[in-house]
Amino acid sequence: NAGVTQTPKFQVLKTGQSMTLQCAQDMNHEYMSWYRQDPGMGLRLIHYSVGAGITDQGEVPNGYNVSRSTTEDFPLRLLSAAPSQTSVYFCASSRGTANTEAFFGQGTRLTVV
Amino acid sequence: AQTVTQSQPEMSVQEAETVTLSCTYDTSESDYYLFWYKQPPSRQMILVIRQEAYKQQNATENRFSVNFQKAAKSFSLKISDSQLGDAAMYFCAYRSAKTGANNLFFGTGTRLTVIP
Repeated sequence: NAGVTQTPKFQVLKTGQSMTLQCAQDMNHEYMSWYRQDPGMGLRLIHYSVGAGITDQGEVPNGYNVSRSTTEDFPLRLLSAAPSQTSVYFCASSRGTANTEAFFGQGTRLTVV
Repeated sequence: AQTVTQSQPEMSVQEAETVTLSCTYDTSESDYYLFWYKQPPSRQMILVIRQEAYKQQNATENRFSVNFQKAAKSFSLKISDSQLGDAAMYFCAYRSAKTGANNLFFGTGTRLTVIP
């Protein structure tokens, strides 16, 4: 039972570099989202998707791009990393708006130097 | 916009005692869900308990229970018979019934220490 899988678990980037955080789920969930967790800030929603081909912005979308070409995958792209993007990133998925719960990945700790 | 406030950055409790973590939220909606998540050092987000706003009865899961006061927009978590494994960050979260279950608003968290 893989659930929600994030790769990598840890990453160090130099300012200006680009990278993609991967998120995959095997539960056939239509809804997926990305969060960032900063010290003292809780988790904040970056982008979310309600199905393949459909994405929207969350609370803190600047500096991040997403796309959703398949139900299983929801990658998060940093086009030009900045130190302010140093954070722990979580991917989550769910069945939708019904009375159900979100399933979280294990998180990716990203450091931008 | 919805906001979730946890006013206790840190709490401590003696093993086997009871502790209550506080959470307040702000929303103009009438149909929503509230959650408590536990985050141990492993970083994994673990759902502890959830409450549907349309239910007056407070949710209970073994040693964990909530006090849901809809009019006051308050949602506290009570942990009874605290165990060393309960030590973690605890996050209160809100979700509108109109949005996906993965679209959550989180509080800033309470770090719980359990003293042997």
